[in-house]
Amino acid sequence: TQLLEQSPQFLSIQEGENLTVYCNSSSVFSSLQWYRQEPGEGPVLLVTVVTGGEVKKLKRLTFQFGDARKDSSLHITAAQPGDTGLYLCAGEDNTNAGKSTFGDGTTLTVKP
Amino acid sequence: DADVTQTPRNRITKTGKRIMLECSQTKGHDRMYWYRQDPGLGLRLIYYSFDVKDINKGEISDGYSVSRQAQAKFSLSLESAIPNQTALYFCATTGDTGELFFGEGSRLTVL
Repeated sequence: TQLLEQSPQFLSIQEGENLTVYCNSSSVFSSLQWYRQEPGEGPVLLVTVVTGGEVKKLKRLTFQFGDARKDSSLHITAAQPGDTGLYLCAGEDNTNAGKSTFGDGTTLTVKP
Repeated sequence: DADVTQTPRNRITKTGKRIMLECSQTKGHDRMYWYRQDPGLGLRLIYYSFDVKDINKGEISDGYSVSRQAQAKFSLSLESAIPNQTALYFCATTGDTGELFFGEGSRLTVL
């Protein structure tokens, strides 16, 4: 079973601060996804990264996929209260096509 | 209307009762999944199905069973519920892109 470790587990910051969330594994993934989940709802996809070293930007969010495709990071610039939520990374590897392994999640709280 | 619909959204039951959680999707996808979410443990895969005739166990299938009644319908059953099955359950579906589309969740409490 491939494991994905997310850190930190909890993060509480003030509006306007920057933050980075990490997703690490000893396994290689063919692709990695980041989801955001709000209370009472299911997770919603933010981005998929598939190429080692890839960087994707989504407004104030920057996603990186490690060169070895074992790790990823999510960086938020100038966080806003609307960014509050649970951030989950999920990886799919070649031997388990169609099955995603999820990290434990990072709960982010952005205070106004 | 939601692409993935789960019923019931909330359920409180007693130990030993049989419970069924239902899921239907309008995405036209073949692949469907049931996940369980507990605080601090992310999402863990219970069962998954790649088409109507295909059912596979996930990492935590003990105590659960599923039925794929049609391409659009995938139900999860707890034959004899126990308190440690208290959790938030999510149904999901995915297509060629690999993006998982989740329902809004079914919160189950077993007393």
